[in-house]
Amino acid sequence: SSELTQDPAVSVALGQTVRITCQGDSLRGYFANWYQQKPGQAPVLVIYGKNNRPSGIPDRFSGSSSGNTASLTITGAQAEDEADYYCHSRDSSGYFFGGGTKLSVL
Amino acid sequence: QVRLVQSGTDLKKPGASVKVSCKASGFSFSKFSFTWVRQARGQGLEWMGWISAYNGNAKYAQKLQGRVTMTTDTSTGTAYMELRSLTSDDTAMYFCGRGGEIPDYWGQGTLVTVSS
Repeated sequence: SSELTQDPAVSVALGQTVRITCQGDSLRGYFANWYQQKPGQAPVLVIYGKNNRPSGIPDRFSGSSSGNTASLTITGAQAEDEADYYCHSRDSSGYFFGGGTKLSVL
Repeated sequence: QVRLVQSGTDLKKPGASVKVSCKASGFSFSKFSFTWVRQARGQGLEWMGWISAYNGNAKYAQKLQGRVTMTTDTSTGTAYMELRSLTSDDTAMYFCGRGGEIPDYWGQGTLVTVSS
């Protein structure tokens, strides 16, 4: 089914590591992309494909996948990482986003 | 540099249509597809569809089939998204993105409000 499930909210202490997950049947066949969105701004691509970072994205962002779950890991979270994060993938019918995870950096 | 500049805020009455534009610069327009997503206030991102500027092929979200049309104008480097038979549920920020499989750059967004 074309559904991606994310935890609505996650928190992390400054400088610690956090993993944001995305679950869905489609992830058994397709990689997830990850977008960061701050209030009032357009999404920003942070991870795509197996584990690729666009130019300008810090290397503290990484992606992984296992079975029906894709994960975005931030190693050494910074205050500026506080944002909403969306996974994005596809199936035979089209593309779709997860519901989003609000990351708080404490 | 890559830029996508969208048209401005729009206010429409229920039942009307809206056409949002997305002017691209800084890259070869016809080599890319363009994705459209929308976001209601306080809600998540909703994928609407994408169109190839190379051949005009488009794919739309099932729930919008019959109401949405995406087009491109390669002479001006502009992508368009038209949504018809608007209801209050269509009130949202609309974003265009460069790329179909992996949108990598986004426009600034266009707020469309549907209200009588």
